[in-house]
Amino acid sequence: QQQVKQSPQSLIVQKGGISIINCAYENTAFDYFPWYQQFPGKGPALLIAIRPDVSEKKEGRFTISFNKSAKQFSLHIMDSQPGDSATYFCAATYRSGSRLTFGEGTQLTVNP
Amino acid sequence: GAVVSQHPSRVICKSGTSVKIECRSLDFQATTMFWYRQFPKQSLMLMATSNEGSKATYEQGVEKDKFLINHASLTLSTLTVTSAHPEDSSFYICSARVGSGRSYNEQFFGPGTRLTVL
Repeated sequence: QQQVKQSPQSLIVQKGGISIINCAYENTAFDYFPWYQQFPGKGPALLIAIRPDVSEKKEGRFTISFNKSAKQFSLHIMDSQPGDSATYFCAATYRSGSRLTFGEGTQLTVNP
Repeated sequence: GAVVSQHPSRVICKSGTSVKIECRSLDFQATTMFWYRQFPKQSLMLMATSNEGSKATYEQGVEKDKFLINHASLTLSTLTVTSAHPEDSSFYICSARVGSGRSYNEQFFGPGTRLTVL
């Protein structure tokens, strides 16, 4: 019940395209859903996060879509750039600041 | 955003030795720090949660006597890998939870420490 399932495992898109990564969770008590970006040899960096009281959040080229009834959320990267090539992790937690439950990760490659 | 540092960034040691990794929150007080381990091409695996001034809470399967965690202040937590063996070689990452202010309860990650045990 604590798992977060992430897909796809890897994703290749062309520069300028849209990258879409999906996550699904089971625990309905989760109330905070962050996305992290990790470059090789670096720690994860918070990219964008959403709470379940909204269905979408946009920050620049990054958008989270949230479907509470389906217990799914996704990250959309518009106008994908080679510099976006990294591993992306979705996560879920309780807003009170407890442990993060991470998805398995998606390795994104954006070709020039 | 809040900054978390780790030291050292990479360490190579001989089997049987102990290695200490420091995690510092540079511009905020961290009520809670988390330690993760990450193997190549895998997700982050939570090892333990530490709160300032109290004993760490370890995840199932993590040996508390092997991975000693000390959270002596609101800005510093240390992870000591005792009697390290090659199977302990991994990327160790800490995160710190902001205790107050605009980013209250957000977690910020350190840059990680690459441990190689020969």
